[in-house]
Amino acid sequence: QITLKESGPTLVKPTQTLTLTCTFSGFSLTTSGVGVGWIRQPPGKALEWLALIYWDDDKRFSPSLKSRLTLTKDTSKNQVFLTMTNMDPVDTATYYCSLGPTFDFWGQGTLVTVSS
Amino acid sequence: QSALTQPPSASGSPGQSVAISCTGSSTDVGGYNYVSWYQQYPGKAPKLIIYEVNKRPSGVPDRFSGSKSGNTASLTVSGLQAEDEADYYCSSYGGNDNFRIFGGGTKLTVL
Repeated sequence: QITLKESGPTLVKPTQTLTLTCTFSGFSLTTSGVGVGWIRQPPGKALEWLALIYWDDDKRFSPSLKSRLTLTKDTSKNQVFLTMTNMDPVDTATYYCSLGPTFDFWGQGTLVTVSS
Repeated sequence: QSALTQPPSASGSPGQSVAISCTGSSTDVGGYNYVSWYQQYPGKAPKLIIYEVNKRPSGVPDRFSGSKSGNTASLTVSGLQAEDEADYYCSSYGGNDNFRIFGGGTKLTVL
């Protein structure tokens, strides 16, 4: 059974750095072809792809957010970490992690609010 | 990075068929057979219902089908049921520099 779960702060202040953790089970990020991606959804708005890390540590980032994003993984703990710098109120959204590259399975999402 | 274009809304009566379009360009939808569709209920995470244009994951009813012509992909829901009322998002691979692009979403209403 494949599961993913996002964790991290629910509230961050403008200009702060956000770090989210995706903890997964039921698959291995050492398996060829496997990746974990991050997608966000502002309240009432559409999905937006952010980033994806592959089993071989290859990484892909949204061109519009590339300068603010960092992705790392800890395969021994089945975790992926997303860091986003210089947070702004427009970054308020539910952040999802998902099994890539097709995004077959999704976590429940975590709502991050950016406010002073 | 431009989002793929979907109609904001679509509707149909139970038993009818409805098609939802997803328009991109030759550098995403038209250039690759990596179009996916996701179903999302309010307050829930999206669920993959179509991948690689027309393939269904295990457990997805065959009432859901996908196709593509040129730069436009389509999701068709046949034999509409009340439970199909949800938001639907398309997504496409956009090359190495634009790995995944999502559409703006379509709210499907079952009348």
